[in-house]
Amino acid sequence: DVKVTQSSRYLVKRTGEKVFLECVQDMDHENMFWYRQDPGLGLRLIYFSYDVKMKEKGDIPEGYSVSREKKERFSLILESASTNQTSMYLCASSSNRDRENYGYTFGSGTRLTVV
Amino acid sequence: RKEVEQDPGPFNVPEGATVAFNCTYSNSASQSFFWYRQDCRKEPKLLMSVYSSGNEDGRFTAQLNRASQYISLLIRDSKLSDSATYLCVVNYRDNNNDMRFGAGTRLTVKP
Repeated sequence: DVKVTQSSRYLVKRTGEKVFLECVQDMDHENMFWYRQDPGLGLRLIYFSYDVKMKEKGDIPEGYSVSREKKERFSLILESASTNQTSMYLCASSSNRDRENYGYTFGSGTRLTVV
Repeated sequence: RKEVEQDPGPFNVPEGATVAFNCTYSNSASQSFFWYRQDCRKEPKLLMSVYSSGNEDGRFTAQLNRASQYISLLIRDSKLSDSATYLCVVNYRDNNNDMRFGAGTRLTVKP
C-alpha cells in the first residue's frame, strides 16, 4: 500500500520556536506539497516541489520555508512559529505518470498548536 | 471569486436518499478533475476522478460540464458511512502539480 508519512500527528510548540514538519513518501513520486487546512478556508498551498532541491512558493509561503534534499522527503520549516500558524498541516505527493487517475496522496496530517 | 467553489452545506439527508453536490471552477484551461472525501480529523482521500464523458463507481456518479465549468457528484442510496466532507479538486496543469481544492461540502446521513 502506497504511503505518505508525516512524522508527528500532534505537536505543541511555543511562539518563536523553529518547527520542523517532516514528510516521507515511498511511491517514487516527483511532486510533493505542503498544505494547511483551516475551517472555512479549505486547503491552502504553502510550498511545493517538483524535483529534488527544487521548490516553488504556493499561495501562502510567508513564514515558512521548505527543504527537499532527497526525492522521498519534503520538510516544512516554520522559522519562528506564531499563533496564527496553528493549523492542520497536510503533506501530499503526486506522480507525473497516471495523473488523470490518481491525483494526490495525502499524509495523515500534523495538527500543530502554537502557544 | 474563488477558483473552485462549492456549497459548504451542511447537507443532512436520511439513509437511502439521493444527494447531489455541485462545484464550479474558474479556470477554463483546467486539465483534470477529482472528488475527494475527508472524514473528520483525517486526511483527504481520493474518491474518484471525473472524466469528460461522466463516470460511475457503484452508488457514486461524477459528471463534468466543461462548457459551464462545473462538476457534480451524485450519491444514490446514501449510507451512514457516507457522512464526510466532499472536496472538489481541479488540476490546472498537465503534470499533476497544480491542484486547486474547494473548501468542501459537508454531508451528514442520518438513520
